[in-house]
Amino acid sequence: NAGVTQTPKFRILKIGQSMTLQCAQDMNHNYMYWYRQDPGMGLKLIYYSVGAGITDKGEVPNGYNVSRSTTEDFPLRLELAAPSQTSVYFCASSREITGGGNEQFFGPGTRLTVL
Amino acid sequence: GDSVTQMEGPVTLSEEAFLTINCTYTATGYPSLFWYVQYPGEGLQLLLKATKADDKGSNKGFEATYRKETTSFHLEKGSVQVSDSAVYFCALSDVGFGNEKLTFGTGTRLTIIP
Repeated sequence: NAGVTQTPKFRILKIGQSMTLQCAQDMNHNYMYWYRQDPGMGLKLIYYSVGAGITDKGEVPNGYNVSRSTTEDFPLRLELAAPSQTSVYFCASSREITGGGNEQFFGPGTRLTVL
Repeated sequence: GDSVTQMEGPVTLSEEAFLTINCTYTATGYPSLFWYVQYPGEGLQLLLKATKADDKGSNKGFEATYRKETTSFHLEKGSVQVSDSAVYFCALSDVGFGNEKLTFGTGTRLTIIP
Protein backbone atom coordinates (compact mmCIF):
# COMPACT_ATOMS: atom_id res chain seq x y z
CA ASN A 1 0.00 0.00 0.00
CA ALA A 2 1.57 3.26 -1.14
CA GLY A 3 -1.14 5.33 0.61
CA VAL A 4 -1.42 8.87 -0.77
CA THR A 5 1.20 9.84 -3.34
CA GLN A 6 1.91 13.28 -4.77
CA THR A 7 4.03 14.48 -7.66
CA PRO A 8 6.14 16.48 -8.10
CA LYS A 9 7.87 17.03 -4.75
CA PHE A 10 9.20 20.47 -5.72
CA ARG A 11 8.43 22.89 -8.53
CA ILE A 12 9.35 26.44 -9.46
CA LEU A 13 6.95 28.27 -11.75
CA LYS A 14 7.10 31.65 -13.42
CA ILE A 15 4.21 34.08 -12.99
CA GLY A 16 1.47 33.25 -15.49
CA GLN A 17 2.51 29.64 -16.08
CA SER A 18 0.15 26.79 -15.34
CA MET A 19 0.68 23.31 -13.94
CA THR A 20 -1.08 20.29 -12.52
CA LEU A 21 -0.26 18.78 -9.15
CA GLN A 22 -0.92 15.07 -9.17
CA CYS A 23 -2.45 13.11 -6.30
CA ALA A 24 -3.33 9.43 -6.17
CA GLN A 25 -4.46 7.06 -3.42
CA ASP A 26 -4.68 3.28 -3.43
CA MET A 27 -6.91 2.82 -0.38
CA ASN A 28 -10.22 3.01 -2.28
CA HIS A 29 -11.21 6.09 -0.29
CA ASN A 30 -14.26 8.05 -1.40
CA TYR A 31 -13.20 11.39 0.07
CA MET A 32 -10.23 13.36 -1.18
CA TYR A 33 -8.96 16.84 -0.27
CA TRP A 34 -6.45 19.47 -1.33
CA TYR A 35 -4.91 21.77 1.30
CA ARG A 36 -2.31 24.49 1.18
CA GLN A 37 0.05 25.22 4.05
CA ASP A 38 1.57 28.68 4.31
CA PRO A 39 4.43 29.46 6.72
CA GLY A 40 3.22 29.89 10.29
CA MET A 41 -0.34 29.04 9.31
CA GLY A 42 -2.51 25.99 9.58
CA LEU A 43 -3.68 24.09 6.54
CA LYS A 44 -6.44 25.67 4.47
CA LEU A 45 -8.82 23.56 2.37
CA ILE A 46 -8.78 24.39 -1.35
CA TYR A 47 -11.14 21.79 -2.85
CA TYR A 48 -12.54 18.46 -1.84
CA SER A 49 -14.34 15.55 -3.46
CA VAL A 50 -16.84 13.08 -2.02
CA GLY A 51 -16.54 10.64 -4.90
CA ALA A 52 -15.73 10.29 -8.59
CA GLY A 53 -17.36 13.07 -10.57
CA ILE A 54 -18.23 15.18 -7.50
CA THR A 55 -16.11 18.11 -6.32
CA ASP A 56 -16.75 21.20 -4.21
CA LYS A 57 -14.95 24.34 -3.13
CA GLY A 58 -13.22 24.72 0.20
CA GLU A 59 -12.09 27.91 1.94
CA VAL A 60 -9.54 29.16 -0.63
CA PRO A 61 -10.50 27.90 -4.13
CA ASN A 62 -9.65 30.99 -6.21
CA GLY A 63 -6.97 30.34 -8.82
CA TYR A 64 -7.36 26.55 -8.71
CA ASN A 65 -9.40 23.87 -10.42
CA VAL A 66 -9.89 20.18 -9.75
CA SER A 67 -11.41 17.13 -11.38
CA ARG A 68 -12.18 13.63 -10.10
CA SER A 69 -12.68 11.21 -12.96
CA THR A 70 -11.63 8.13 -10.96
CA THR A 71 -11.73 7.12 -7.29
CA GLU A 72 -7.93 6.99 -7.19
CA ASP A 73 -6.89 10.33 -8.71
CA PHE A 74 -7.56 13.94 -7.72
CA PRO A 75 -5.36 16.39 -9.66
CA LEU A 76 -5.15 20.09 -8.76
CA ARG A 77 -4.74 22.55 -11.62
CA LEU A 78 -3.15 25.99 -11.22
CA GLU A 79 -3.94 28.39 -14.05
CA LEU A 80 -1.98 31.64 -14.39
CA ALA A 81 0.28 31.09 -11.39
CA ALA A 82 0.75 34.04 -9.03
CA PRO A 83 3.29 34.63 -6.22
CA SER A 84 0.43 34.30 -3.70
CA GLN A 85 0.21 30.63 -4.68
CA THR A 86 3.68 29.94 -3.32
CA SER A 87 2.97 27.33 -0.68
CA VAL A 88 3.20 23.67 0.27
CA TYR A 89 0.29 21.67 -1.10
CA PHE A 90 -1.02 18.54 0.60
CA CYS A 91 -3.45 16.01 -0.77
CA ALA A 92 -5.40 13.85 1.66
CA SER A 93 -8.02 11.13 1.58
CA SER A 94 -10.44 9.49 3.99
CA ARG A 95 -12.72 6.47 3.86
CA GLU A 96 -15.63 8.20 5.53
CA ILE A 97 -16.65 11.74 6.26
CA THR A 98 -14.31 13.43 8.73
CA GLY A 99 -17.09 14.82 10.91
CA GLY A 100 -17.54 11.41 12.46
CA GLY A 101 -13.98 11.42 13.73
CA ASN A 102 -12.60 9.57 10.73
CA GLU A 103 -8.93 9.94 9.94
CA GLN A 104 -7.56 11.76 6.93
CA PHE A 105 -4.43 10.30 5.34
CA PHE A 106 -1.99 12.82 3.92
CA GLY A 107 0.52 12.70 1.10
CA PRO A 108 4.09 14.00 1.52
CA GLY A 109 3.33 17.37 -0.08
CA THR A 110 4.44 19.44 -3.06
CA ARG A 111 6.50 22.56 -2.41
CA LEU A 112 5.63 25.16 -5.06
CA THR A 113 7.40 28.47 -5.61
CA VAL A 114 6.07 31.07 -8.04
CA LEU A 115 8.58 33.72 -9.09
CA GLY B 1 -17.30 29.85 12.09
CA ASP B 2 -15.14 27.11 13.48
CA SER B 3 -11.64 27.94 14.65
CA VAL B 4 -8.72 26.39 16.52
CA THR B 5 -6.22 28.32 18.62
CA GLN B 6 -2.94 26.68 19.43
CA MET B 7 -0.10 27.49 21.75
CA GLU B 8 2.48 29.66 20.03
CA GLY B 9 5.77 28.00 19.25
CA PRO B 10 8.45 27.05 18.81
CA VAL B 11 8.85 24.94 21.92
CA THR B 12 12.24 23.56 22.94
CA LEU B 13 12.53 20.97 25.73
CA SER B 14 15.17 18.67 27.10
CA GLU B 15 14.75 14.93 26.73
CA GLU B 16 12.51 13.38 29.41
CA ALA B 17 10.79 16.70 30.14
CA PHE B 18 7.01 16.98 30.52
CA LEU B 19 5.19 18.38 27.50
CA THR B 20 1.98 20.36 27.24
CA ILE B 21 0.76 22.00 24.05
CA ASN B 22 -2.42 24.00 24.56
CA CYS B 23 -5.33 23.91 22.14
CA THR B 24 -8.72 25.60 22.42
CA TYR B 25 -11.50 25.62 19.88
CA THR B 26 -14.67 27.36 18.77
CA ALA B 27 -17.35 25.34 17.02
CA THR B 28 -21.04 25.70 16.30
CA GLY B 29 -21.88 22.02 16.77
CA TYR B 30 -20.36 18.97 18.42
CA PRO B 31 -16.94 18.58 16.87
CA SER B 32 -14.52 15.72 16.72
CA LEU B 33 -11.04 16.79 17.83
CA PHE B 34 -7.70 15.64 16.50
CA TRP B 35 -3.99 16.01 16.97
CA TYR B 36 -1.92 15.52 13.83
CA VAL B 37 1.89 15.37 13.74
CA GLN B 38 4.18 16.33 10.88
CA TYR B 39 7.72 14.94 11.00
CA PRO B 40 10.40 16.73 8.94
CA GLY B 41 9.90 16.28 5.22
CA GLU B 42 6.70 14.26 5.61
CA GLY B 43 2.95 14.77 5.38
CA LEU B 44 0.69 14.97 8.40
CA GLN B 45 -0.34 11.83 10.23
CA LEU B 46 -2.97 11.31 12.86
CA LEU B 47 -1.57 11.15 16.40
CA LEU B 48 -4.79 10.82 18.39
CA LYS B 49 -8.43 11.85 18.39
CA ALA B 50 -11.56 12.20 20.53
CA THR B 51 -15.11 12.32 19.27
CA LYS B 52 -17.13 13.36 22.32
CA ALA B 53 -16.85 15.25 25.59
CA ASP B 54 -14.64 13.67 28.28
CA ASP B 55 -13.12 11.21 25.80
CA LYS B 56 -9.37 10.77 26.13
CA GLY B 57 -7.32 10.06 23.03
CA SER B 58 -3.92 8.44 23.48
CA ASN B 59 -1.09 7.14 21.31
CA LYS B 60 2.71 6.75 21.60
CA GLY B 61 2.63 8.12 25.16
CA PHE B 62 0.72 11.25 24.15
CA GLU B 63 -2.70 12.02 25.64
CA ALA B 64 -5.41 14.65 25.18
CA THR B 65 -8.81 14.94 26.86
CA TYR B 66 -11.85 16.53 25.17
CA ARG B 67 -13.03 19.20 27.63
CA LYS B 68 -16.32 20.71 26.50
CA GLU B 69 -16.64 23.04 29.49
CA THR B 70 -13.34 24.76 28.66
CA THR B 71 -13.47 24.02 24.89
CA SER B 72 -9.97 22.60 25.08
CA PHE B 73 -7.98 19.60 23.86
CA HIS B 74 -4.48 20.04 25.31
CA LEU B 75 -1.76 17.60 24.24
CA GLU B 76 0.45 16.10 26.98
CA LYS B 77 3.31 13.65 27.27
CA GLY B 78 5.08 12.71 30.46
CA SER B 79 8.58 12.19 29.11
CA VAL B 80 9.52 13.41 25.64
CA GLN B 81 12.17 11.89 23.40
CA VAL B 82 14.33 13.34 20.65
CA SER B 83 12.20 11.41 18.15
CA ASP B 84 9.16 13.51 19.20
CA SER B 85 10.64 16.56 17.48
CA ALA B 86 8.02 17.57 14.92
CA VAL B 87 5.23 20.06 14.22
CA TYR B 88 1.97 19.32 16.04
CA PHE B 89 -1.40 20.48 14.71
CA CYS B 90 -4.65 20.59 16.63
CA ALA B 91 -7.72 20.25 14.40
CA LEU B 92 -11.46 19.85 14.56
CA SER B 93 -14.21 18.60 12.34
CA ASP B 94 -17.70 19.74 13.13
CA VAL B 95 -20.83 17.65 12.72
CA GLY B 96 -23.30 18.89 10.20
CA PHE B 97 -22.80 21.27 7.32
CA GLY B 98 -19.14 21.56 6.36
CA ASN B 99 -18.09 18.46 8.21
CA GLU B 100 -16.17 17.26 5.22
CA LYS B 101 -13.17 19.32 6.26
CA LEU B 102 -10.69 19.73 9.05
CA THR B 103 -10.10 23.15 10.60
CA PHE B 104 -6.48 23.39 11.71
CA GLY B 105 -4.58 25.42 14.24
CA THR B 106 -1.38 27.12 13.15
CA GLY B 107 0.86 24.30 14.40
CA THR B 108 3.46 24.15 17.17
CA ARG B 109 7.03 23.23 16.33
CA LEU B 110 8.56 21.06 19.05
CA THR B 111 12.30 20.47 19.34
CA ILE B 112 13.70 18.03 21.89
CA ILE B 113 17.37 18.34 22.75
CA PRO B 114 19.36 15.41 24.18
